[in-house]
Amino acid sequence: GDSVTQMEGPVTLSEEACLTINCTYTATGYPSLFWYVQYPGEGLQLLLKATKADDKGSNKGFEATYRKETTSFHLEKGSVQVSDSAVYFCAAGATNKLIFGTGTLLAVQP
Amino acid sequence: DGGITQSPKYLFRKEGQNVTLSCEQNLNHDAMYWYRQDPGQGLRLIYYSQIVNDFQKGDIAEGYSVSREKKESFPLTVTSAQKNPTAFYLCASSPLTSGTMTNTGELFFGEGSRLTVL
Repeated sequence: GDSVTQMEGPVTLSEEACLTINCTYTATGYPSLFWYVQYPGEGLQLLLKATKADDKGSNKGFEATYRKETTSFHLEKGSVQVSDSAVYFCAAGATNKLIFGTGTLLAVQP
Repeated sequence: DGGITQSPKYLFRKEGQNVTLSCEQNLNHDAMYWYRQDPGQGLRLIYYSQIVNDFQKGDIAEGYSVSREKKESFPLTVTSAQKNPTAFYLCASSPLTSGTMTNTGELFFGEGSRLTVL
């Protein structure tokens, strides 16, 4: 069945370090792909998305490219800030729902 | 402002009691969803609804019930039959594109409700 696999956390980085959170998916066809962010005690907010192969989603310095050949959608940021500390979820659009990865906790230290 | 409102934010329940979580949206979205979030397990779909007076089971519907009497509202009841109800519950909505639900697009989430069974 459809599934999303993302790297386990926690990921701990110093401020201004580079970030990569890996995400791969298994799905029928070509699903839309998403990264959501969740701050403590809150719901999920859409961070970025891509709807077809080779699309690059970007927002707030984060980027992810839809790679059909590797079925991946890795999240990257060149210089993280303390305010980026949160849980990040990769998701793929399937029939009637989004399928989510297990989430990756990012902790950025000053 | 448009958005999704969940209430209550925190809820405590004794074993054997049913509780109802409220979800209201003013985004004029057709589809609404309930997800359950547990540590280390991501989000799992409980129920979804694409249209008023119709809803479908998700992956973990046992022990839960829903209704969709109005487009704006999609309440979730956690019944006493749910064996492990302590969790964070998230409601979401989305517009239907092209009248179908294949290849689901962006979901808009509420702030969540945390249920603790004592």
